[in-house]
Amino acid sequence: GQQLNQSPQSMFIQEGEDVSMNCTSSSIFNTWLWYKQDPGEGPVLLIALYKAGELTSNGRLTAQFGITRKDSFLNISASIPSDVGIYFCAGRNAGGTSYGKLTFGQGTILTVHP
Amino acid sequence: EAGVTQSPTHLIKTRGQQATLRCSPISGHTSVYWYQQALGLGLQFLLWYDEGEERNRGNFPPRFSGRQFPNYSSELNVNALELEDSALYLCASSSGRLEGYTFGSGTRLTVV
Repeated sequence: GQQLNQSPQSMFIQEGEDVSMNCTSSSIFNTWLWYKQDPGEGPVLLIALYKAGELTSNGRLTAQFGITRKDSFLNISASIPSDVGIYFCAGRNAGGTSYGKLTFGQGTILTVHP
Repeated sequence: EAGVTQSPTHLIKTRGQQATLRCSPISGHTSVYWYQQALGLGLQFLLWYDEGEERNRGNFPPRFSGRQFPNYSSELNVNALELEDSALYLCASSSGRLEGYTFGSGTRLTVV
């Protein structure tokens, strides 16, 4: 089945530093999504990417849909304490057994020290 | 606008019992998705319902089942509970299969 490899598994950074995380896939996706999950909550959508090569920003967050359609990255600039949480990438194919479902990476746990 | 609501927030069951989890999607969303998030792991796809029909299911045994009602709310049933079914069960909804999901806060199921 489809697998997403997300790295790093965890990051410990100082407030103000930039953060970068990425996902790679064994198969092609038509859509890449990035979510953040706070403790005790469901994941919240941060950025959605629908086209290979697409670069999209949402405030201090920037994400790109890789040209090969098998990878994506998320950058967070000038981190702040409220950026703490688990970040998940997710990919979607349009058809076959993947119809309608998102495949999630294992998550990156981000800790920001004030 | 109300988000995706799930109930109960916590559920404790003993091995062999049945659990029923409920989800109300965002108004106007016709698709409901169920995911299992075990401790320390990512989200595993369980089921997708759209317009009252099961459209896809993940690699889970048949004792995981569900349904979608005419008002698009959904129920997830887990029969013959096993200890390893303990997890956070997340429901999400969307207005179409190409859109991003909106997740609820989940139901924490503990099997003892």
